[in-house]
Amino acid sequence: QSALTQPASVSGSPGQSITISCTGTSSDVGAYNYVSWYQQHPGKAPKLMIYNVSNRPSGVSNRFSGSKSGNTASLTISGLQAEDEADYYCNSYTSSSTSVFGAGTKVTVL
Amino acid sequence: EVQLLESGGGLVQPGGSQRLSCAASGFSFSTHHMTWVRQAPGKGLEWVSIISGNGGITHYADSAKGRFSVSRDNSKNTLYLQMNSLRAEDTAVYYCAKTWVSGGYCFDYWGQGTLVTVSS
Repeated sequence: QSALTQPASVSGSPGQSITISCTGTSSDVGAYNYVSWYQQHPGKAPKLMIYNVSNRPSGVSNRFSGSKSGNTASLTISGLQAEDEADYYCNSYTSSSTSVFGAGTKVTVL
Repeated sequence: EVQLLESGGGLVQPGGSQRLSCAASGFSFSTHHMTWVRQAPGKGLEWVSIISGNGGITHYADSAKGRFSVSRDNSKNTLYLQMNSLRAEDTAVYYCAKTWVSGGYCFDYWGQGTLVTVSS
């Protein structure tokens, strides 16, 4: 299956808000509320930031929020901080009982 | 504390085989799905395979079907990925991830990964 579509890069200044989009199809993102988001710093394992479209695991800052409309999910980071600079990946469950990741978005804090 | 520790990576020749292991602790291993995800050097994450808690249900990405086999030994709290007919494009860091599927779907804990390099 094809990767979900994410912008290659997004940037913002400290304190600003940025939004990363994740576009799939009616067989994945549009079909289920099973979209999750992962943060990955260089050389590190991914970390779960958002699950089931908009839920935050315990310990994740409330500056991270998620939403979905149709076949597109979004991750918003508000009050951008230097430590937020990382790669972000979305993931969705699919109608084939498999899973698919987005291509990844590099977030740069200016 | 949930811990996942992958092992078994290394250099393997094209066409060869490799078995990866993921030792789990800190949670009820037998009641959780587990997933393998890989990441080629400088590239994004790619979902590879998932296995149910009792091992009875498995699914694979198209890139892994027919060549990779996921299994688990719940008595040893260990997940495996048997990889056969390896190709250069299978070169990647392979992560195991605890998978939450009860009322949702996500990978809530990840190991640190093990690097598999397919090269002659």
